[in-house]
Amino acid sequence: EAQVTQNPRYLITVTGKKLTVTCSQNMNHEYMSWYRQDPGLGLRQIYYSMNVEVTDKGDVPEGYKVSRKEKRNFPLILESPSPNQTSLYFCASSHHRDDTQYFGPGTRLTVL
Amino acid sequence: GESVGLHLPTLSVQEGDNSIINCAYSNSASDYFIWYKQESGKGPQFIIDIRSNMDKRQGQRVTVLLNKTVKHLSLQIAATQPGDSAVYFCAVPTRTDKLIFGTGTRLQVFP
Repeated sequence: EAQVTQNPRYLITVTGKKLTVTCSQNMNHEYMSWYRQDPGLGLRQIYYSMNVEVTDKGDVPEGYKVSRKEKRNFPLILESPSPNQTSLYFCASSHHRDDTQYFGPGTRLTVL
Repeated sequence: GESVGLHLPTLSVQEGDNSIINCAYSNSASDYFIWYKQESGKGPQFIIDIRSNMDKRQGQRVTVLLNKTVKHLSLQIAATQPGDSAVYFCAVPTRTDKLIFGTGTRLQVFP
């Protein structure tokens, strides 16, 4: 089954404790992206990747890192999480930027 | 910077009526537009897209209209059903390969 998976689905952590949210797709997509979703603000792009070893900042990259060592994986790293990073995070992938994006199920992160 | 805005945060319609959800964008050079549907507790799902060389595109019960003159697009849902209840987003890729989403319109369908 074609899908985008994220782990964990729910995470509660404390300020400053490094964490990684994994994202994996099995559709051989080149374009992958991370979004955060906050009430009243819609979806905002954090980082995106056009292909392996190619990553770029989205609209809200501060406090986040990503890597794209393999085509299928695009982990989101929070080196020192802060409470303002409490949000719902979605990973997405598509063949190219202008193709249909497939979204993962979301990761709800709470930073205390 | 580039922006995408939705006109109404909430739209309530009666089952069986037609729904129209609107979206405005800022960049006149935008050439591709997408509508997504997000049901409660799920990630967004693709509904329909349109390229700038078209004014209208139809899917199953959905139609997207693009007015490049005023930089506006709309999603029309015919014979709205309870299963259409969701948040609807328009999204527009930018020149720099980002994807900008509108803030979303929550569609509520009542019997």
